[in-house]
Amino acid sequence: SQTIHQWPATLVQPVGSPLSLECTVEGTSNPNLYWYRQAAGRGLQLLFYSIGIDQISSEVPQNLSASRPQDRQFILSSKKLLLSDSGFYLCAWSNDRGRSFFGQGTRLTVV
Amino acid sequence: AQSVTQLGSHVSVSEGALVLLRCNYSSSVPPYLFWYVQYPNQGLQLLLKYTTGATLVKGINGFEAEFKKSETSFHLTKPSAHMSDAAEYFCAVSDLDTDKLIFGTGTRLQVFP
Repeated sequence: SQTIHQWPATLVQPVGSPLSLECTVEGTSNPNLYWYRQAAGRGLQLLFYSIGIDQISSEVPQNLSASRPQDRQFILSSKKLLLSDSGFYLCAWSNDRGRSFFGQGTRLTVV
Repeated sequence: AQSVTQLGSHVSVSEGALVLLRCNYSSSVPPYLFWYVQYPNQGLQLLLKYTTGATLVKGINGFEAEFKKSETSFHLTKPSAHMSDAAEYFCAVSDLDTDKLIFGTGTRLQVFP
């Protein structure tokens, strides 16, 4: 069966520090991969999606970047975090048309 | 462009009462529609989805939703609320080509004893 792993679960980082959040999927090949963010009091917003290795689309202008060095690995990064980067980040995958599967999320607090 | 509107950021019901969470969508093509539930500090769990076929969709935990094309709605209902239903609920529409999800802003459901 397919599983998705996302880590860390929580993270507190100072302003200006770098960020790396990792997501891996098991049990499937060539999935579509997604990073969503849920800011306090707001809904979920798609940040990046990827249809294959090194194929990344950015949905909104922001301080973050994404990479997909392997088929089932999706990394969310920042060189210098801003306070506004705080939020709940969710990784998801899909290759069954019409359904996405979500990781457990990372709570990022930038202080 | 597709969009989703969830009316009511907070809904409160008594245990055993009817749950109704509203969702309206905008889409220029036949949509795929979803309801997800999120418990505190957890990821999203699919409750139910509509793709094609029967417009009344039954999901997990006793929830169901009806796709009404004429009203561009996909409201979520449950006949009798349980304390464990307290969570945040998101309605979403899917981009048919990429499976990208466009979410509503969510509705927080509170259930009182």
